[in-house]
Amino acid sequence: GQSLEQPSEVTAVEGAIVQINCTYQTSGFYGLSWYQQHDGGAPTFLSYNALDGLEETGRFSSFLSRSDSYGYLLLQELQMKDSASYFCAVRTGGGNKLTFGTGTQLKVEL
Amino acid sequence: EPEVTQTPSHQVTQMGQEVILRCVPISNHLYFYWYRQILGQKVEFLVSFYNNEISEKSEIFDDQFSVERPDGSNFTLKIRSTKLEDSAMYFCASRQRLGELDEQFFGPGTRLTVL
Repeated sequence: GQSLEQPSEVTAVEGAIVQINCTYQTSGFYGLSWYQQHDGGAPTFLSYNALDGLEETGRFSSFLSRSDSYGYLLLQELQMKDSASYFCAVRTGGGNKLTFGTGTQLKVEL
Repeated sequence: EPEVTQTPSHQVTQMGQEVILRCVPISNHLYFYWYRQILGQKVEFLVSFYNNEISEKSEIFDDQFSVERPDGSNFTLKIRSTKLEDSAMYFCASRQRLGELDEQFFGPGTRLTVL
């Protein structure tokens, strides 16, 4: 089977930097994706890592270590609108299905 | 910007009834997916679809579920006899092609409530 672990909640202040970790156990691994979801909304793609290292997209960066089965999402210059749930998801299988983690609820405070 | 659309946004049905959830994927995408999310829980994969056939399905996707691409634009999920535990948000997603940098784009979801 496949499993992904994330912290359930993280709280940070506006302007700060926060890191959300994800550890996974899976077979047939293609890569690790990160999605943002606001309450009641659709998951929105943020970042993807197929290879080890850091990928940077604006204020968001994502890191992957395949040997450690570990990744993280780094959010910089936090804004109130970043308050949402963040999911890591592994891509596996011929159709690149996504298996999602349990999600981390990020609360950004003033 | 092209987007995945889903109808209806909210469906209420009685236990045992059939429901059909509809999705219009992004027009040049080839791979289609259904996921569901029970309130307060993680998003779960149901099924993937390519070239007019199911490429992979999860344990959740039992004989009560079916998918179809009846024409060149729609992608549907049918639940034959709904159960209370089918109450969830159902998301459709589509993807342009297999490749490292391609992402899945999710629709806004259909909230299914089974009474």
